[in-house]
Amino acid sequence: AQSVAQPEDQVNVAEGNPLTVKCTYSVSGNPYLFWYVQYPNRGLQFLLKYITGDNLVKGSYGFEAEFNKSQTSFHLKKPSALVSDSALYFCAVSLYNQGGKLIFGQGTELSVKP
Amino acid sequence: GAGVSQSPSNKVTEKGKDVELRCDPISGHTALYWYRQSLGQGLEFLIYFQGNSAPDKSGLPSDRFSAERTGGSVSTLTIQRTQQEDSAVYLCASSPWGGGSTDTQYFGPGTRLTVL
Repeated sequence: AQSVAQPEDQVNVAEGNPLTVKCTYSVSGNPYLFWYVQYPNRGLQFLLKYITGDNLVKGSYGFEAEFNKSQTSFHLKKPSALVSDSALYFCAVSLYNQGGKLIFGQGTELSVKP
Repeated sequence: GAGVSQSPSNKVTEKGKDVELRCDPISGHTALYWYRQSLGQGLEFLIYFQGNSAPDKSGLPSDRFSAERTGGSVSTLTIQRTQQEDSAVYLCASSPWGGGSTDTQYFGPGTRLTVL
């Protein structure tokens, strides 16, 4: 079965420090990988995606993610965290020829303290 | 431009009643998705419409759940004989390019359903 794992329920970071939110996947075939962010009582907002090509993908609000095929990972990173980055982050995968339905990880709560 | 809109934003119903949830996708988007977000199950795919093709209903949890999309635009998710385990936030998303696997999906704010 296809699955996405976010091994940390919560990540705590001090403002100004780098942040990493981890994501690993288990799929058959080539994955297309996405990161979304959810603020309280809001829908999901798209951050970035990996389709093909350069393994380092840059997205919205200064976030980036690195696709690592050998480790089946797609970790989200930001060089300097802001308090306003505090939110719930979801990693997701879609597969070729299965329409666009997304399989989500369970989410990671990011807390950035001043 | 306008994003995906959903109504109502909150719905409280009694067990056994039917409910209808509405989604207005971004104008011009040809693919539309429904997902469910609950504490126990996380974010789950429910159903997917792509243009005039038959919908992918593979994520619907039971035959009490159904959805339609009229005129290639607005969609309604119907839950019949609601149960307490149906309590969740129901999210709708749309994408512009026909719903391929590489498309970015744009999500609405969701409808919070509470079944008493």
